[in-house]
Amino acid sequence: GIQVEQSPPDLILQEGANSTLRCNFSDSVNNLQWFHQNPWGQLINLFYIPSGTKQNGRLSATTVATERYSLLYISSSQTTDSGVYFCAVEGAAGNKLTFGGGTRVLVKP
Amino acid sequence: EPEVTQTPSHQVTQMGQEVILRCVPISNHLYFYWYRQILGQKVEFLVSFYNNEISEKSEIFDDQFSVERPDGSNFTLKIRSTKLEDSAMYFCASLNPRGSSYNEQFFGPGTRLTVL
Repeated sequence: GIQVEQSPPDLILQEGANSTLRCNFSDSVNNLQWFHQNPWGQLINLFYIPSGTKQNGRLSATTVATERYSLLYISSSQTTDSGVYFCAVEGAAGNKLTFGGGTRVLVKP
Repeated sequence: EPEVTQTPSHQVTQMGQEVILRCVPISNHLYFYWYRQILGQKVEFLVSFYNNEISEKSEIFDDQFSVERPDGSNFTLKIRSTKLEDSAMYFCASLNPRGSSYNEQFFGPGTRLTVL
C-alpha cells in the first residue's frame, strides 16, 4: 500500500515563529488532506489539497503531486497551534485515507 | 455548517462486552468510514461502506467487528467481544463524491473507547 512519511516528528516553536511541515508519499494520490488534532483528540480538517496551493488565514499548504510531497506552512505561530498535524492521502486504487505518523508541534509563549 | 456527529464521546466497558459506537454522517454523503487511533499512534483505516455494503476493510477489521446503516441517518460500528487492545479513539467519516471537493472526507469528533 501507499506509504506516508511526515517530518519532522516533533517541532518546538517560539510564539510568532514560522514553520514548515512536510509530507512525502510513495505513489500517485487522488486526495490529500491535512488535519490538526487538538488536545481533546478531535481531527480538524485544515486543507483538502490533492494539488496546488491553498491558504486559510495563517496556514497555507502546497502539494506537488508529480514530486509526491506536500508542505504545510504555519506563519506567526500561536500557542493554540499546538497539537499534532497529520497528513493523509488516498491512493489511486481506493478511497480510504492512509495517515502519516504526524508532526507534534508545541508553540511556547 | 453540516458536520459528522458521534456518540458517545467516551465509553468505558469491561473486556468481553459488546459495544456499539454510533455516527450520524452528513446527510447527503454516500460513503462512510471508520478509523481508529490507538493512543500515541497514527490513525488507521478500519472499513469503508457504500450502497449498504462494505466496500473495503483492513486486516484489523476481523470477525469481531461489524458495521451497519440501520436507517437513513445512523452508521454504527459494533465490536462483539471487546479486548484490551481495542482501547482507542474511533473516528467516523463521510464523503460526498458529487461535491466540489469530491474526495474530501469529513471526520466526526471521535469516541474514546476504554476497555478494562
